[in-house]
Amino acid sequence: GNSVTQMEGPVTLSEEAFLTINCTYTATGYPSLFWYVQYPGEGLQLLLKATKADDKGSNKGFEATYRKETTSFHLEKGSVQVSDSAVYFCALKVQGAQKLVFGQGTRLTINP
Amino acid sequence: GAGVSQSPRYKVAKRGQDVALRCDPISGHVSLFWYQQALGQGPEFLTYFQNEAQLDKSGLPSDRFFAERPEGSVSTLKIQRTQQEDSAVYLCASSPSPLAASNYGYTFGSGTRLTVV
Repeated sequence: GNSVTQMEGPVTLSEEAFLTINCTYTATGYPSLFWYVQYPGEGLQLLLKATKADDKGSNKGFEATYRKETTSFHLEKGSVQVSDSAVYFCALKVQGAQKLVFGQGTRLTINP
Repeated sequence: GAGVSQSPRYKVAKRGQDVALRCDPISGHVSLFWYQQALGQGPEFLTYFQNEAQLDKSGLPSDRFFAERPEGSVSTLKIQRTQQEDSAVYLCASSPSPLAASNYGYTFGSGTRLTVV
């Protein structure tokens, strides 16, 4: 079946550190891939997306590249801020289906 | 409205009680989804509407769960005879169209936190 696996958290970093959150997937066909972020007390917000192999999604300094050969979509940021503290979810959507399949989430805490 | 609105924000139910959770999607959004998010987990798909038609209910965990969207706008998720394992955050999401969902994802509401005691 279709599934998403994220690196386990929680992840704690100091401000200005480099961030990587790993995400790998299993899916039929060529899914669209997404990263969502959930700030405390808020709903999930779309952070970035990629719809085909080798696409790079980017937003707010975050980037992720759709790697078909490794079935991965790792999230990266060069210099994190305290305001990036949140839970991050990797998700996929297969062609022809409407639902998103989410990973278990990774809680990120950035200390000043 | 500007976003997806869900009510109530919090609900405490006694085991065996029926509950109804409401979702107001963004005006004009065709696609509407319900997800269940257990503590410390990612959201799990429950059901999908396109306008008033429920096209996929494969994620509903039991026949105690029922969802409707009679006029193609507001949706209600009803849980009958609640059990402790139903405790979770219930998320609603909407999208302008199925194609937009593929390209841009959805807009999520803040959720209803259900606690069954």
